Amino acid sequence: SQTIHQWPATLVQPVGSPLSLECTVEGTSNPNLYWYRQAAGRGLQLLFYSVGIGQISSEVPQNLSASRPQDRQFILSSKKLLLSDSGFYLCAWSEGMQNYGYTFGSGTRLTVV
Amino acid sequence: RKEVEQDPGPFNVPEGATVAFNCTYSNSASQSFFWYRQDCRKEPKLLMSVYSSGNEDGRFTAQLNRASQYISLLIRDSKLSDSATYLCVVTPPGFQKLVFGTGTRLLVSP
Repeated sequence: SQTIHQWPATLVQPVGSPLSLECTVEGTSNPNLYWYRQAAGRGLQLLFYSVGIGQISSEVPQNLSASRPQDRQFILSSKKLLLSDSGFYLCAWSEGMQNYGYTFGSGTRLTVV
Repeated sequence: RKEVEQDPGPFNVPEGATVAFNCTYSNSASQSFFWYRQDCRKEPKLLMSVYSSGNEDGRFTAQLNRASQYISLLIRDSKLSDSATYLCVVTPPGFQKLVFGTGTRLLVSP
């Protein structure tokens, strides 16, 4: 069966520090991968999605970047965090060219201080 | 206009009650529709897909009205464990991504 792993679960980082969040999927190949952010009391905002290795689409201009170095690995990064980057970051995957909904990882709660 | 709109609630209902949520979407060419459930400080989890003919899963019934561009979720015989935020989700045409509503919060009390 397919599983998705996301870490760390919580993170407190100072303003201006770098960020790296990692997400891996097991039990499938060529998944679509997604990074979402949910700010406190708000809806899920799509940040990036990827349909293959090295293919990244950015949804909103921001202080973040994403990379997909391997088929089942998706990384969210920042060189310098802002206070506004605080939120609940969720990685998700779906079947490549089908749409049966997403499965989310357990999320990373990031607080920038 | 937001792509997906939901009443944020909260909906406060007693155990055993029937409750219904609606959701509207702006793009008439949207392709797929879902309801997700999100517990406090947890990731969203797929509750059910929504099909044009309507579908039922136990106490949950989902319906789609393409003409009016809305989706509904009906929960019968509410349980305490149904307390959560319910997210309406839509797939815009031509893209393999989901657009989430901000959610409707449900509180079921004893």
